[in-house]
Amino acid sequence: KAGVTQTPRYLIKTRGQQVTLSCSPISGHRSVSWYQQTPGQGLQFLFEYFSETQRNKGNFPGRFSGRQFSNSRSEMNVSTLELGDSALYLCASSLGLAGYSYEQYFGPGTRLTVT
Amino acid sequence: AQSVTQPDIHITVSEGASLELRCNYSYGATPYLFWYVQSPGQGLQLLLKYFSGDTLVQGIKGFEAEFKRSQSSFNLRKPSVHWSDAAEYFCAVAATYNQGGKLIFGQGTELSVKP
Repeated sequence: KAGVTQTPRYLIKTRGQQVTLSCSPISGHRSVSWYQQTPGQGLQFLFEYFSETQRNKGNFPGRFSGRQFSNSRSEMNVSTLELGDSALYLCASSLGLAGYSYEQYFGPGTRLTVT
Repeated sequence: AQSVTQPDIHITVSEGASLELRCNYSYGATPYLFWYVQSPGQGLQLLLKYFSGDTLVQGIKGFEAEFKRSQSSFNLRKPSVHWSDAAEYFCAVAATYNQGGKLIFGQGTELSVKP
């Protein structure tokens, strides 16, 4: 079974631009979560989508948004990019809702650099 | 508030030596606990999980972890380390909120292996 895939793997953007990252979960998985990883803050939860509905959101500004499609694929969008948004963005999928007894499987991440 | 603490930021062990990575958690209910490993530039790979039952859990790559409720700990162990084990290791607890959940991660422990 194919793992979690994320595209693109690398991105370089300029401050003020917006970016869209894509995540395809493992087949059959209905939950997709997004995390931001930086050297200073570590791994921080962004949001979780399940059955096309946002179920939980982390402490990030409204510039960070996401959505999930009927095939469980998910996208996250960051508008008005800031230098501090430079990070590795990780997507994770699971059979059921995160926070319960379901393992989350992570993709390779998208490395976003904002200049 | 829920939290995970990994007291050791960096550990160096000799190849063939035993390894123990420490993890302490703070969570009110019965925790769902995980250990993940991340190689440079890669996503997170699930090593093992604890949901309930036997407090000693076995994972992939020869790793095991022991859940100790009285100490709020979930330490990762390996009897004999291989050079390929050099990576960053993250302990996580699953936290449940209104209609979803998330993983709360520790800051990670970077493992170096001496030949």
